[in-house]
Amino acid sequence: DIQMTQSPSFLSASVGDRVTINCKASQNINRYLNWYQQKLGEAPKLLIYNANSLQTGIPSRFSGSGSGTDFTLTISSLQPEDVATYFCLQHNSWPYTFGAGTKLELK
Amino acid sequence: QVQLQQSGTELVKPASSVKISCKASGYTFTSNYMHWIRQQPGNGLEWIGWIYPGNGNTKYNQKFDGKATLTADKSSSTAYMQLSSLTSEDSAVYFCARWPAYWGQGTLVTVSS
Repeated sequence: DIQMTQSPSFLSASVGDRVTINCKASQNINRYLNWYQQKLGEAPKLLIYNANSLQTGIPSRFSGSGSGTDFTLTISSLQPEDVATYFCLQHNSWPYTFGAGTKLELK
Repeated sequence: QVQLQQSGTELVKPASSVKISCKASGYTFTSNYMHWIRQQPGNGLEWIGWIYPGNGNTKYNQKFDGKATLTADKSSSTAYMQLSSLTSEDSAVYFCARWPAYWGQGTLVTVSS
């Protein structure tokens, strides 16, 4: 199985900060990488698909980049409603595999 | 709009089985893969498998072979996942999802004597 190493595990930032979360795949996954946001008690919400495509209805402050093995999710200006846990997911090879998550909190 | 409504919380005994349902609406059920995902306490997410309701084809994560069985009822647009030989390790929230964006609300399964 492809291992997804996500960093950092925990992140504390202030409103307005630029935030970056990273995911590294154990082998080439091309651009088959999605980013999800999960708030407490809710299902994950798709933010970015195929590395850099913004899902409909997601604010433009969210963006994704990368290909191959290294990927980044960026929040350009952190808002209070962005407090959540963020996961990457590779869907290049079966079984699909998730990163362990980044818990984002307000400083 | 696409909606996936899952069945409610289950409290089950070790060694038993449980069947979770996921009722789909707002799209053509038979033309879209239904995926199932497990989230254990502490966040970890694992992909269990998928079913294509149009023909019943399934694919499982090898880790869940023999543990999970996926089925679908076209007449009611409902997907099911049966989990067997339950242990405390199977206590988790289980999600159905229409790839990649639409998820059910999750079903909590607690395995305890």
